[in-house]
Amino acid sequence: GENVEQHPSTLSVQEGDSAVIKCTYSDSASNYFPWYKQELGKGPQLIIDIRSNVGEKKDQRIAVTLNKTAKHFSLHITETQPEDSAVYFCAASKIASYDKVIFGPGTSLSVIP
Amino acid sequence: GAGVSQSPSNKVTEKGKDVELRCDPISGHTALYWYRQSLGQGLEFLIYFQGNSAPDKSGLPSDRFSAERTGGSVSTLTIQRTQQEDSAVYLCASSLRGGGYTFGSGTRLTVV
Repeated sequence: GENVEQHPSTLSVQEGDSAVIKCTYSDSASNYFPWYKQELGKGPQLIIDIRSNVGEKKDQRIAVTLNKTAKHFSLHITETQPEDSAVYFCAASKIASYDKVIFGPGTSLSVIP
Repeated sequence: GAGVSQSPSNKVTEKGKDVELRCDPISGHTALYWYRQSLGQGLEFLIYFQGNSAPDKSGLPSDRFSAERTGGSVSTLTIQRTQQEDSAVYLCASSLRGGGYTFGSGTRLTVV
């Protein structure tokens, strides 16, 4: 089955700096890669996703990149703000089959004002 | 409502008791998922339902865990003879085909 690894487990950046979280997946058939943000006491919230026919996607200060050959994908947050502090999860699944999403272990991001 | 609703938000139970956790998905979402999140840990898949297909129960940790989805809508996760290691946040999510999940806020279960 699919296995998703995520690094780093914790990340601390100064406000205004960029943050990068990297993930790898094992199943070459996976074709859908969402990212979720979880704030304390809340359920995870989808912030951006990318499909395997696209190499990069941006939404304001966040961007995701996908390297299918290497089975790597990354989340980039620019101009970080204190409200970006949260736990971020990457995930992978096979979209056409309604397959369950497999999550990485999470990255705890702290943005220092 | 507009989101995924879970109840109760918190549940404290004695070891050995049975508990039922409820999830009310977004109307029209055909897929419903249960995940478990232990303190400071990631999201562990438990079970998912898709339309009228047989549920994928591959993540249920033991036969003390079961789930139902009635009428393609509300789902109940039941844990029988609870153990202390069952203490966690139980998260429910729903989705449309090809879409990302919308999660509820979870039920925090504490077994004492």
